[in-house]
Amino acid sequence: QSVLTQPPSVSGAPGQRVTISCTGSNSNIGAGYDVHWYQQVPGTAPKVVIYDNINRPSGVPDRFSGSKSGTSASLAITDLQAEDEADYYCQSFDNSLSDFWVFGGGTKLTVL
Amino acid sequence: QVQLVQSGAEVKKPGASVKVSCKASGYTFTTYYMHWVRQAPGQGLEWMGIINVRDGSTTYAQKFLGRVTMTRDTSTSTVYMELNSLRSEDTGVYYCARIRPGSHLDHWGQGTLVSVSS
Repeated sequence: QSVLTQPPSVSGAPGQRVTISCTGSNSNIGAGYDVHWYQQVPGTAPKVVIYDNINRPSGVPDRFSGSKSGTSASLAITDLQAEDEADYYCQSFDNSLSDFWVFGGGTKLTVL
Repeated sequence: QVQLVQSGAEVKKPGASVKVSCKASGYTFTTYYMHWVRQAPGQGLEWMGIINVRDGSTTYAQKFLGRVTMTRDTSTSTVYMELNSLRSEDTGVYYCARIRPGSHLDHWGQGTLVSVSS
């Protein structure tokens, strides 16, 4: 059971917009800790697509954006492309647990 | 460019130990902490712990306390993760990942598959 809750799966057609939610609590996201998002194509290592809630590393298309409000965060992907099909994980810090580094359970994005 | 290159796949029997290495290059090794993350087959990412590469201090996830040891060798810019008393549930891919100070995991190793089977 992950401390950060994500939907198991989302899907969208090419060109559409999808969002992936990450719901936490007042000991992690709600406490003001940053949220980061990682993309993992099956068989490869994860890579960050959004860091510090809203920032996009160089090389990540501007179709990817992040937001955070209260105890939740979201990753939005516009103009969906086939290569966006992957697993996405949110990650933050939790001050109530001995395991302070927490990941969401992951969301499988399917491009229809 | 920053690279984290991990050791190759391992096959172990239950009760054995495994030691995975992660060799860093392209940056000042002692400037960044390193995390280890595990991924069981078909499952999500699981945090195992972190090592301060400068002084060698560590913090481990509760689940792995007593079974995991993370070390580093500054002369070769390599970090190690050793997991003891292996069981079948330890089968998975183990990743090292560098943390950008105060922020996210900005570079990952390619992963090391550890298979535990009798």
